[in-house]
Amino acid sequence: DIQMTQSPSTVSASVRDRVTITCRASQSISSWLAWYQQKPGKAPKLLISKPSSLESGVPSRFSGSGSGTEFTLTISSLQPDDSATYYCQQYDSYSPTFGQGTKVEIK
Amino acid sequence: EVQLLESGGGLVQPGGSLRLFCAGSGITFSTAVMHWVRQAPGKGPEWVSVIRGGDGFTHYADSVKGRFIMSIDSSENKLYLQMNSLRVEDTAVYYCAREGFSSGRCGVFKDWGQGTLVTVSS
Repeated sequence: DIQMTQSPSTVSASVRDRVTITCRASQSISSWLAWYQQKPGKAPKLLISKPSSLESGVPSRFSGSGSGTEFTLTISSLQPDDSATYYCQQYDSYSPTFGQGTKVEIK
Repeated sequence: EVQLLESGGGLVQPGGSLRLFCAGSGITFSTAVMHWVRQAPGKGPEWVSVIRGGDGFTHYADSVKGRFIMSIDSSENKLYLQMNSLRVEDTAVYYCAREGFSSGRCGVFKDWGQGTLVTVSS
């Protein structure tokens, strides 16, 4: 299986800060990467796929980039509602795999 | 709008069986591609299985292959996950999810249910 590694595990930032989360794949996955947001007790929510296409209704402060083995999710101006855990996920192989998650906290 | 609702979770002993259900509105499972994704407590999600409604093709994660069976009941528009030979490490919230087809590629989970908890413990 393709392993996905996210960093950092936790990020604490203030409202209006720029936040960047990195995701690395154990082998090249081209551009087949998605990002999800999960709040406590809820199902993950698809934010971005391939890896910069924003889902309908997702605020434009979220953006994704990268290709090959290194990808980033950026929140350009952190808002209180962005407090959540974020997961990257590859779908290059027939068995999709997720990263371990990055928790975003508001200071 | 697609809505998914899982049920069937509960407490089961190791080696036991359980059948999960997923009911949908705004979607016809027999023409969709659907997944089961699970999430152990405090862990990231783990993809479990996929079914292609059009032809019944299924594919499973190695961790469940030979023990879990995913199927569709077209007459009732329900999705099932039959889980056999359950292990402690199968303990998780199980979600059904609709395929999102990113640029025609399979493997993106666009719509999710609220999940059903499966606990495997003696």
